[in-house]
Amino acid sequence: GENVEQHPSTLSVQEGDSAVIKCTYSDSASNYFPWYKQELGKRPQLIIDIRSNVGEKKDQRIAVTLNKTAKHFSLHITETQPEDSAVYFCAASMNDYKLSFGAGTTVTVRA
Amino acid sequence: KAGVTQTPRYLIKTRGQQVTLSCSPISGHRSVSWYQQTPGQGLQFLFEYFSETQRNKGNFPGRFSGRQFSNSRSEMNVSTLELGDSALYLCASSVSRTLNTEAFFGQGTRLTVV
Repeated sequence: GENVEQHPSTLSVQEGDSAVIKCTYSDSASNYFPWYKQELGKRPQLIIDIRSNVGEKKDQRIAVTLNKTAKHFSLHITETQPEDSAVYFCAASMNDYKLSFGAGTTVTVRA
Repeated sequence: KAGVTQTPRYLIKTRGQQVTLSCSPISGHRSVSWYQQTPGQGLQFLFEYFSETQRNKGNFPGRFSGRQFSNSRSEMNVSTLELGDSALYLCASSVSRTLNTEAFFGQGTRLTVV
């Protein structure tokens, strides 16, 4: 089955700096890559996703890049704010509607 | 539009007992998936239901089962509970299976096995 690895497991950044989280996947058939944000005690919520026919996607301060050849994708958060503090999960999926998640990255934005 | 609703929010059970968790998807969503979230293992896929049929299953023992009703509501059952089953159980609903569409998560049921 699909195996998704996520790094780093924790990330501390100064407010206003950028944060980058990287994920690799094992199955070249995966074609959908969502990113979820989970605040403490709350449900995971989709913040951005990308499909395999696209190399990059941006939504305000958040961007995701995908390298199909290397089988890795990354989340970039620019101009970080305290409300960006949360656990971020990457995931990969083939056309079987099963999301394989990375282990998560705890992001702390220092004021 | 109401979000994904899971009941109960919290449960405490004893080893050996069985438990049933419920998930009501967003109105109009027909696909429901279940995930187990633990600090050590992260989010692990349990199974997915669509049109009352299990379409996909993760690597969990047969003690974990589920079903989906005609109104798309889903239940998950765990029999002969073990201490290691303590986790947050999340369900997610999607509008269809034709594309990899967004999965909306519920708040989860926190199960503690003692």
